Amino acid sequence: SQTIHQWPATLVQPVGSPLSLECTVEGTSNPNLYWYRQAAGRGLQLLFYSVGIGQISSEVPQNLSASRPQDRQFILSSKKLLLSDSGFYLCAWSVQGWNTEAFFGQGTRLTVV
Amino acid sequence: AQSVAQPEDQVNVAEGNPLTVKCTYSVSGNPYLFWYVQYPNRGLQFLLKYITGDNLVKGSYGFEAEFNKSQTSFHLKKPSALVSDSALYFCAVRDMKTGGFKTIFGAGTRLFVKA
Repeated sequence: SQTIHQWPATLVQPVGSPLSLECTVEGTSNPNLYWYRQAAGRGLQLLFYSVGIGQISSEVPQNLSASRPQDRQFILSSKKLLLSDSGFYLCAWSVQGWNTEAFFGQGTRLTVV
Repeated sequence: AQSVAQPEDQVNVAEGNPLTVKCTYSVSGNPYLFWYVQYPNRGLQFLLKYITGDNLVKGSYGFEAEFNKSQTSFHLKKPSALVSDSALYFCAVRDMKTGGFKTIFGAGTRLFVKA
């Protein structure tokens, strides 16, 4: 069966520090991968998606970046965090195809102080 | 533009009563619609989807959704609510204008089921 791992679960970082959140998927190959941010427990904002290794599409210009160094690994990074980067970050994957549902990781609660 | 709307921020129902969480959509072409549920401090879980076929779709945990093309709606329903159904519910649609890679989520509806 397929599983998705996202870590850490919580993170408190000072303003200006770097960020690296990692997400890995097991039990499938060539998945679509996604990073979302959820503010205040409400709607989801798509940050990045990837349809293959090294292929990253950015949805919202900001000081975050994403990379996909391996087929089932998706990393969200920042060189210098801002207060406004605080939020709940969710990684997700789906099978290639337009009629497939997404499977989400457990999320990372990031607080920038 | 492709979009989904969840007109209610919050829905309150008593345990044992039927529940409905509303969703309307706006797409060009055929809609590919989804419902997800989120419990506190957790990721979203897939409940059900409509791709084609029967207008009544059955999903996990006793939930079902009715696709209504004329009203462009995809309301989530359950005949008898449980306290454990209390959570945040998201309606979503595939963005086919960008090749179907992306999913557009509604703002979410918080369901409270009172014992």
